Amino acid sequence: AQKITQTQPGMFVQEKEAVTLDCTYDTSDPSYGLFWYKQPSSGEMIFLIYQGSYDQQNATEGRYSLNFQKARKSANLVISASQLGDSAMYFCAMREIYNQGGKLIFGQGTELSVKP
Amino acid sequence: SAVISQKPSRDICQRGTSLTIQCQVDSQVTMMFWYRQQPGQSLTLIATANQGSEATYESGFVIDKFPISRPNLTFSTLTVSNMSPEDSSIYLCSAAGTSGRGATTDTQYFGPGTRLTVL
Repeated sequence: AQKITQTQPGMFVQEKEAVTLDCTYDTSDPSYGLFWYKQPSSGEMIFLIYQGSYDQQNATEGRYSLNFQKARKSANLVISASQLGDSAMYFCAMREIYNQGGKLIFGQGTELSVKP
Repeated sequence: SAVISQKPSRDICQRGTSLTIQCQVDSQVTMMFWYRQQPGQSLTLIATANQGSEATYESGFVIDKFPISRPNLTFSTLTVSNMSPEDSSIYLCSAAGTSGRGATTDTQYFGPGTRLTVL
C-alpha cells in the first residue's frame, strides 16, 4: 500500500498567486514527521518544511506553509505569492520511527509550473 | 545542517561493469541512506548505510548488486555492480541526525546526486 500519495502529477499556477499541493499519508505509527522537498531541473533536493505528528500548529517557512489535518492524514503544501523560480518537482515525504526505523519515504511528486 | 558531496557527479558506463559512488558529509550524522531516482520517477530507498555493520536493504535491492560501505560517521560508498541499461538513474546519498540522535524532527539532507548512464 502507498504510504505517501500525491494525486496531482502536474499543476499550473499564475505568478503571484497561491497554490496548494496535495499530500495524504498512511501510518499507524504514533510518532512521525512529514517533509516537503523541492527538486528543480538541476536535480538537487531542497528541504522546504517539516511538520511533526505532535505539533499543534501548522508549520510555516517564509512563503511555504503546511496545512496539516491529522484526522484526515493530509499534509498539503501551500505556496503563497508564486514566483517563476518555484517551477519544479515537489515531493512529500514521511518518516516513521517505530514502523520504519526512521527511513524517509517519498510520494510520487507533483510538477509545478508557474506561468508569467 | 549538513553539506553532502558525491563523486562522481555523472558517469557513462558500459554494460557489465561496476561503478562506486562516494558520499562525504561535512559533519557526523546518525543515519545515511542511498536512494535511486529513475528518469521521471520519485526517489526509491535502496538501503540504510549502517556504520560499522552491513547495510539494511529495502525490498527489491540486494547486497550483491548494490554493496554499501560506511566505515565512519561521515562517509559511505555505494557500488552498482554488473550494470545494465536498467540501472541508468540518479543515485542520491542522504544523511540525517546531525544532532547525534535519530528523531522524526531530524531534517534529511541530500547530496547533489550521481547521474549514471549505462550503455
